[in-house]
Amino acid sequence: DADVTQTPRNRITKTGKRIMLECSQTKGHDRMYWYRQDPGLGLQLIYYSFDVKDINKGEISDGYSVSRQAQAKFSLSLESAIPNQTALYFCATSDSPGGPVDTQYFGPGTRLTVL
Amino acid sequence: ILNVEQSPQSLHVQEGDSTNFTCSFPSSNFYALHWYRWETAKSPEALFVMTLNGDEKKKGRISATLNTKEGYSYLYIKGSQPEDSATYLCAFIRSNYQLIWGAGTKLIIKP
Repeated sequence: DADVTQTPRNRITKTGKRIMLECSQTKGHDRMYWYRQDPGLGLQLIYYSFDVKDINKGEISDGYSVSRQAQAKFSLSLESAIPNQTALYFCATSDSPGGPVDTQYFGPGTRLTVL
Repeated sequence: ILNVEQSPQSLHVQEGDSTNFTCSFPSSNFYALHWYRWETAKSPEALFVMTLNGDEKKKGRISATLNTKEGYSYLYIKGSQPEDSATYLCAFIRSNYQLIWGAGTKLIIKP
């Protein structure tokens, strides 16, 4: 079984709809991240969490919110989806106290299309 | 440069040939550099993390070097095989722990 799972793997939705993407991990890592990937661009950090009570905005958090329900679960919500949020979304985890050099472990990605 | 740049964007290489590509990053406030390999329809996986100027890392036919003074890292693949086809991502970590990703080099190995 995969260590980091994401659901759904693919989603097509309409403008204005609320969408939740879920991430679960069995690695026992404290740190979890949400990224989006657009063609031709690097991964952009949306939100990250260093433990259940710690949530931080990344570089492109506008239009998104997150919830860290447990050490193993980190959900990303789009409150009112818009077409330019069409992208590939990755969840990742890393161990602590590895610091900034700790390796990130990625889920398989969720491809979201907003019509 | 303020961003992480990877070149080329894509690369076609004949099976058996060796190849290399570049990750350029700001030379100030360096903390670490990661290389990841991302196969289509799979998750990115870590290859190397490098922290010191002059670092060289190797894993099988793949190796990487790091020059923090001039702000670049090279990834080398010796004797390319079809299974090397993937997008190779680098991620630069600044001393304030900010992590900046490059857009990747897409490598296609032609049989």
